[in-house]
Amino acid sequence: EVQLVESGGGLVQPGGSLRLSCEASGFIFTNHWMSWVRQAPGKGPEWVANIREDGSEKKYVESVKGRFTISRDNARTSLYLHMNDLRDEDSALYYCVRDRRGGANDYWGQGTLVTVSS
Amino acid sequence: DIQMTQSPSSLSASGGDRVTITCRASENIINFLNWYRQRPGKAPELLIYGASTLQVGVPSRISGSGSGRDFTLTIRSLQREDFATYYCQQSYRTPHTFGRGTKLEIK
Repeated sequence: EVQLVESGGGLVQPGGSLRLSCEASGFIFTNHWMSWVRQAPGKGPEWVANIREDGSEKKYVESVKGRFTISRDNARTSLYLHMNDLRDEDSALYYCVRDRRGGANDYWGQGTLVTVSS
Repeated sequence: DIQMTQSPSSLSASGGDRVTITCRASENIINFLNWYRQRPGKAPELLIYGASTLQVGVPSRISGSGSGRDFTLTIRSLQREDFATYYCQQSYRTPHTFGRGTKLEIK
């Protein structure tokens, strides 16, 4: 059974930093691109970033470029999102998701909540 | 970025009805179009990828069609679990943008 378990969310002040983690199991981690997708309360999902199977390619939505870094540790079957200079508009539930061939997100974790507020 | 326009934004229907949701991309995305369903308090779940391929476990009364810029999601014989919010997403080019959603409610 595919499982994606996120952690690391919390309350942080504007300008602060957080590192989100996602532990993956139940599939061959190195066979898949992985992504982070976020969803603000009452809003639709927003794709944030993804990373190639070997970590050699990373893509970001414009609003987080230069502030967020996606990474993975294939030995630990884990995905990370390092978030710096956090803003109010980054407040959301952050989902770790598995990409299938063609880019669809076929498995989602339950999410970890990030709240940016003073 | 590729913009995804979904319509309608909300829809009322009864059990057993057939409904159709449309999604239009701001440019040609070939068939890199995915549909998700999200129930309250839950993560989105993939229903259809590649515009028309059903994800494993999704019932055949759900179908997708289209190519290029225009796509549709059709649900026949509505069941209780279908009353939820639906999103389209393009995965042709990053960022993989989502539509704003269609909320399907019980009439």
